[in-house]
Amino acid sequence: KQEVTQIPAALSVPEGENLVLNCSFTDSAIYNLQWFRQDPGKGLTSLLLIQSSQREQTSGRLNASLDKSSGRSTLYIAASQPGDSATYLCAVPTDSWGKLQFGAGTQVVVTP
Amino acid sequence: DGGITQSPKYLFRKEGQNVTLSCEQNLNHDAMYWYRQDPGQGLRLIYYSQIVNDFQKGDIAEGYSVSREKKESFPLTVTSAQKNPTAFYLCASSNPGQSNYGYTFGSGTRLTVV
Repeated sequence: KQEVTQIPAALSVPEGENLVLNCSFTDSAIYNLQWFRQDPGKGLTSLLLIQSSQREQTSGRLNASLDKSSGRSTLYIAASQPGDSATYLCAVPTDSWGKLQFGAGTQVVVTP
Repeated sequence: DGGITQSPKYLFRKEGQNVTLSCEQNLNHDAMYWYRQDPGQGLRLIYYSQIVNDFQKGDIAEGYSVSREKKESFPLTVTSAQKNPTAFYLCASSNPGQSNYGYTFGSGTRLTVV
């Protein structure tokens, strides 16, 4: 059974510092990996989707890398801002039906 | 704009009462999903549907029921058999048959037992 782990569980950084969030998965036979952001009491917003054939994906200040052989993905957020404060979740489909297995998330606080 | 609409945003249920959460999508996605989120436990899959008139149980289906009569709609009923229904419920959709598919989530419904 696919297991997804996110470390650290919580992270606090001063504004301007770069953020590094880690996601690991036990079964390397994944279709893709998706990073989401969740604000308190809100739904999930998709940030980046990395296909299994890709090594990285970029959108603005966000960059996500994927290393299937080691079962890891890393989300980098450059020059963090207080508005980046949220919980970040990674998820991988567990089968061709698209059921997702989520990590528990990393709660990020960016202080002004 | 395409997206997923969940309603209501907040819902209160009395003991022994059934309640239905609405989920509508206009993304033309084939698959739809219901997840439950509890503090400290992450998201868990309740039910999912790949096509109209077909759905499958997820990891925590007991006490819940769904229907998929239209491609756009996937309502979730929380029955009186669900003993601990207080949680945040999220609906999602995707197109697993496409090579570049991802998930889109709704804004969620917070259910509280009173």
